[in-house]
Amino acid sequence: GEDVEQSLFLSVREGDSSVINCTYTDSSSTYLYWYKQEPGAGLQLLTYIFSNMDMKQDQRLTVLLNKKDKHLSLRIADTQTGDSAIYFCAESSPGSGYSTLTFGKGTMLLVSP
Amino acid sequence: DTGVSQNPRHKITKRGQNVTFRCDPISEHNRLYWYRQTLGQGPEFLTYFQNEAQLEKSRLLSDRFSAERPKGSFSTLEIQRTEQGDSAMYLCASSRGQGSNQPQHFGDGTRLSIL
Repeated sequence: GEDVEQSLFLSVREGDSSVINCTYTDSSSTYLYWYKQEPGAGLQLLTYIFSNMDMKQDQRLTVLLNKKDKHLSLRIADTQTGDSAIYFCAESSPGSGYSTLTFGKGTMLLVSP
Repeated sequence: DTGVSQNPRHKITKRGQNVTFRCDPISEHNRLYWYRQTLGQGPEFLTYFQNEAQLEKSRLLSDRFSAERPKGSFSTLEIQRTEQGDSAMYLCASSRGQGSNQPQHFGDGTRLSIL
């Protein structure tokens, strides 16, 4: 079955880079997503990558995928206090017809001034 | 482009009561999903619709839960005879139709508290 694991907490200083890591278990071709959740709010889609890609960059965000190790990371450059939130890694796979998302428990990012 | 809208934002009710939540998806999206999120956890899939057809239901969706999407637009999720364990955030998401690279966009959720 599908399983997604994340580290639970990350603390950085404003202006530093943040790297949030995720591992997944599904070995078939899959889409991998990063969502951001602020307190009391829903999930905001940040970016996503298909498993035939190694990297995707979108402004301050860089996603790196190591398919061999089933390891995904999200790098946030020049982290700001407004980036403080919970970040969720999620996957969808052909086993679910790409119709459902399996989420990790989320990584809480705390950015201090 | 308006996002996914969920109502109410908060619902407090006594154990044993019935509750109903509503979700309005992004207008051109024909897929609609329901997830449940408990404290400290990621969202867990409950069910999804393509247009008015309910295509998949999770084992988490007990027989006290029912979801509808009668005209293929908005959806409702009803919980009958609520229990303490139903306290959670209920999230709705929508996406464009078929195709494997259609990301899901989420609403702000309905937080349910059972007294």
